[in-house]
Amino acid sequence: GAVVSQHPSRVICKSGTSVKIECRSLDFQATTMFWYRQFPKKSLMLMATSNEGSKATYEQGVEKDKFLINHASLTLSTLTVTSAHPEDSSFYICSARKSTGGIQPQHFGDGTRLSIL
Amino acid sequence: DAKTTQPPSMDCAEGRAANLPCNHSTISGNEYVYWYRQIHSQGPQYIIHGLKNNETNEMASLIITEDRKSSTLILPHATLRDTAVYYCIVRPGMDAGNMLTFGGGTRLMVKP
Repeated sequence: GAVVSQHPSRVICKSGTSVKIECRSLDFQATTMFWYRQFPKKSLMLMATSNEGSKATYEQGVEKDKFLINHASLTLSTLTVTSAHPEDSSFYICSARKSTGGIQPQHFGDGTRLSIL
Repeated sequence: DAKTTQPPSMDCAEGRAANLPCNHSTISGNEYVYWYRQIHSQGPQYIIHGLKNNETNEMASLIITEDRKSSTLILPHATLRDTAVYYCIVRPGMDAGNMLTFGGGTRLMVKP
């Protein structure tokens, strides 16, 4: 149980393209989902917290107009990298926790490797 | 959130127990200790968590000191597939909105 599916797993596109990444909780409902970014040989850095039915909360230094987050249902959150440039190339990972919260662990998707040419 | 300190890397022989230490000397009373691992090019995988009692599941055992200032993750019989970066994270348990903050982790290399 507690599976998080992330799609696509890999994207290669030209500079200026907008890219949408989907994160789904397959067998549980998630009021809150999290989006992380990871550069090579570095640890995961939280970008934003996605809340179902309300605006996402972004970490300091993360541009909300650049990284659009939509959490329209209890099982789906999307991250759109708008007008992507080579410096946006990274490994993007989402996670979700059951809505019952408490001490429930977060479960992670397998990540999306984004390469901007 | 309390910060954690882990050795940057460790080696372990295949079939032996891997003992990964974590220091969290500033942990608060309501904070749990969570362990995750990340195999190359994958998302982190949940391993185990605990508050103050030792915990065991099919993947690992978690030993938390009585003062809760440190813990050890034990993989009883390490295999090559256990090669990964292991993250020790402390987090308050009772708020679903609390995110996980990742430190540098320990890069465990299991060798034949």
